[in-house]
Amino acid sequence: DVKVTQSSRYLVKRTGEKVFLECVQDMDHENMFWYRQDPGLGLRLIYFSYDVKMKEKGDIPEGYSVSREKKERFSLILESASTNQTSMYLCASLDGGNEKLFFGSGTQLSVL
Amino acid sequence: AQTVTQSQPEMSVQEAETVTLSCTYDTSENNYYLFWYKQPPSRQMILVIRQEAYKQQNATENRFSVNFQKAAKSFSLKISDSQLGDTAMYFCAFIPIQGAQKLVFGQGTRLTINP
Repeated sequence: DVKVTQSSRYLVKRTGEKVFLECVQDMDHENMFWYRQDPGLGLRLIYFSYDVKMKEKGDIPEGYSVSREKKERFSLILESASTNQTSMYLCASLDGGNEKLFFGSGTQLSVL
Repeated sequence: AQTVTQSQPEMSVQEAETVTLSCTYDTSENNYYLFWYKQPPSRQMILVIRQEAYKQQNATENRFSVNFQKAAKSFSLKISDSQLGDTAMYFCAFIPIQGAQKLVFGQGTRLTINP
């Protein structure tokens, strides 16, 4: 079975901390995505990557960076966490052959 | 830039009724996919239905069907004979087939099916 794994289901961090959210897929997909989900705003795209070391800004990249050193892993980095980054973060992976999406189970991040 | 708009933040219907969720999108692309995803309280995203833009026939999956109007850039989801298990957030999404495949979602519609 296809899998997209996010490292943590729940995470609590302090303001100013550097935060790493990890996403790993086991399907050799080229395209991976990071979203944040907030009530009333839906899923907003932060960054996406279409290959190793390749990345593109999404709609709300400010305050975030990403890393894709290996095809299977796409990391989201909060350089200095702030309270307005408290949110649910979802990772997705795309099978470009048939445009099928696979999602992780999400990480609920609280920044205090 | 591609955008997806769901204008109904919340909807509520009685069990066994039919309900239609609206979605409009904006793009200059000619070839793309459109999706409806369901997100129950477990937070896991579940694919409900998918439509290829080059296909004129509307997609159907059991009780779920779409009304795809390419010229109007509209992609509504119809749920027939609604069931309590259909209660969830529903998201409309768009992805182009060519170029940078930026996957964009709408704001979501919270659907409640009442017994």
